[in-house]
Amino acid sequence: GNSVTQMEGPVTLSEEAFLTINCTYTATGYPSLFWYVQYPGEGLQLLLKATKADDKGSNKGFEATYRKETTSFHLEKGSVQVSDSAVYFCALSLTQSSARQLTFGSGTQLTVLP
Amino acid sequence: DAGVIQSPRHEVTEMGQEVTLRCKPISGHDYLFWYRQTMMRGLELLIYFNNNVPIDDSGMPEDRFSAKMPNASFSTLKIQPSEPRDSAVYFCASVDRGDEKLFFGSGTQLSVL
Repeated sequence: GNSVTQMEGPVTLSEEAFLTINCTYTATGYPSLFWYVQYPGEGLQLLLKATKADDKGSNKGFEATYRKETTSFHLEKGSVQVSDSAVYFCALSLTQSSARQLTFGSGTQLTVLP
Repeated sequence: DAGVIQSPRHEVTEMGQEVTLRCKPISGHDYLFWYRQTMMRGLELLIYFNNNVPIDDSGMPEDRFSAKMPNASFSTLKIQPSEPRDSAVYFCASVDRGDEKLFFGSGTQLSVL
């Protein structure tokens, strides 16, 4: 079956530190990969995505590269801000006809201290 | 568009009572998903619909849970009878057939006492 494994949190960093959140996946077929972010009291929002191998998704200073050879999609940011404090979810999507297989990782809590 | 709208925002009820959660997806989206989020189990897919038809309900935990989508603009998730272990945040999400970006509602925080 399909699965997503994320680095366990919580992760606590100082402002301007470098961030990496690891994500690996297993899937039958060729999935699209996503990072979603959940701010306190809100639903998940799409942060970035990549639809094929070697694609790089980027948004708001965050980046992730679809690595088929290592089945990974690690999230990185060069300099985090306090406002980046949130829960980050890695996810994969496979679509066949009307069937949609969406699988989320367990989420990684990030806290950025001033 | 106002986005995915869920109601109520918070629900507190007593064990044994019926609970109904509501969702209005984004207009034009033909997939609708119900998720449950807890600290212990993370984000779990309960059921999803395509064009108002349930496609996969394997994540529905028990017969106490049921979901309907009578039309393209409305869905309900019902728990009857409710139990304390049902306490969680329930999210509804929708997506357009030609896209893969899920749009989530703000969730319903359910507390069963």
